[in-house]
Amino acid sequence: QVQLVQSGAEVKKPGSSVKVSCKASRGAFSTYAIHWVRQAPGQGLEWVGGIIPLFGKTNYAQKFQGRVTTTADESATTGYLELSNLKSDDTAVYFCARVGIELPVVGQFDPWGQGTLVIVSS
Amino acid sequence: DIQMTQSPSSLSASVGDRVTITCRASQNIDSYLNWYQQKPGKAPKLLIFAASSLQSGVPSRFSGSGSGTDFTLIITSLQAEDFATYYCQESYSNPPYSFGQGTRVEMK
Repeated sequence: QVQLVQSGAEVKKPGSSVKVSCKASRGAFSTYAIHWVRQAPGQGLEWVGGIIPLFGKTNYAQKFQGRVTTTADESATTGYLELSNLKSDDTAVYFCARVGIELPVVGQFDPWGQGTLVIVSS
Repeated sequence: DIQMTQSPSSLSASVGDRVTITCRASQNIDSYLNWYQQKPGKAPKLLIFAASSLQSGVPSRFSGSGSGTDFTLIITSLQAEDFATYYCQESYSNPPYSFGQGTRVEMK
């Protein structure tokens, strides 16, 4: 069964950038999209964006447009999330999740990575 | 974007209780509705996809129903390991995706 393993916690200064990785172990990679969801402390889930590695197609939530980039390295079965111009309210746990793209597309997120804590503080 | 509204925001229940959580979409989403369970410090776990399909390995006490704008997650006999926060998520737009604000199920 596929697992998604994310990179470790990060502490960043306001205005800087962070890049989080998500490696898929076992299972197919190209026939799935990798999406990113964040959760601020004590808050709910918020979709950030995603990528279909096979096509290089990306989608981002409007509030992150211009600050977020999702990429993927198919040979390494790894997806990446980069968020720039960090602010204190970007402090959150960032999760990656796999979404199937083969028909019929349902859009469920499964499995999820373990999460990466990003702290933005001066 | 589609807005998802869950109710209640929290509830108190006892082991063995029947628990019902509802989720309403701001527009028709057919059956593109998924449910997740999240425990503190852990990643969400998929319970139900396409409104009523039980994810492999999920106990049969969990069930989902609904279509269009109104959906329900039912836990028929709450177990100790079910105390958690539950989220609905629409996948109609595919993407973007919207989550409900969550329902916290606490021990009475």
